[in-house]
Amino acid sequence: AQKITQTQPGMFVQEKEAVTLDCTYDTSDQSYGLFWYKQPSSGEMIFLIYQGSYDEQNATEGRYSLNFQKARKSANLVISASQLGDSAMYFCAMKPGTASKLTFGTGTRLQVTL
Amino acid sequence: EPEVTQTPSHQVTQMGQEVILRCVPISNHLYFYWYRQILGQKVEFLVSFYNNEISEKSEIFDDQFSVERPDGSNFTLKIRSTKLEDSAMYFCASSEWRGTRNEQFFGPGTRLTVL
Repeated sequence: AQKITQTQPGMFVQEKEAVTLDCTYDTSDQSYGLFWYKQPSSGEMIFLIYQGSYDEQNATEGRYSLNFQKARKSANLVISASQLGDSAMYFCAMKPGTASKLTFGTGTRLQVTL
Repeated sequence: EPEVTQTPSHQVTQMGQEVILRCVPISNHLYFYWYRQILGQKVEFLVSFYNNEISEKSEIFDDQFSVERPDGSNFTLKIRSTKLEDSAMYFCASSEWRGTRNEQFFGPGTRLTVL
């Protein structure tokens, strides 16, 4: 079984600062994908970034980067130059190569302040 | 940009009634999913669907639930006899393929309220 742990229920960051949202995972699969989704207050789920278990480089998508440490089973999301519009719930998720479902963590609510 | 759409955005129903939640996946996607999110909780997988068959389902997806692709565009989730604990946001998602790197694109969700 897969498990995703997000230990930060809430985080605050000042505008223009960088913030790291933690995610650890547990799986016995060798091949898996790690995903981050953003959920604004309007409720939709927005895909942000993906990291494959065999990818040697950390994934980056604009202001989002994923700090992937495979030995520690962590996949932290780094948001650089935070903007007010980044205020949302952020979910880490995992999908093993053999399955179709995403397993989500409990999420971290990020609040960006002036 | 193509997107997943869902109707209705909000559904209120009485306990014991049947509801059908509708989704239109992205047109060239072949894999379809339903997830739910009880208020304030994490997103939970319900079912995945491919080639007109369920490919995977969770323990939540019991006999009260069913999915269907009635035509070439719609994908539906039916709850036969709703319970209070079915109140949640239901998300439809679709993906182009099933490999490890299958970005699942989510719809805006249907908020189901069971009274």
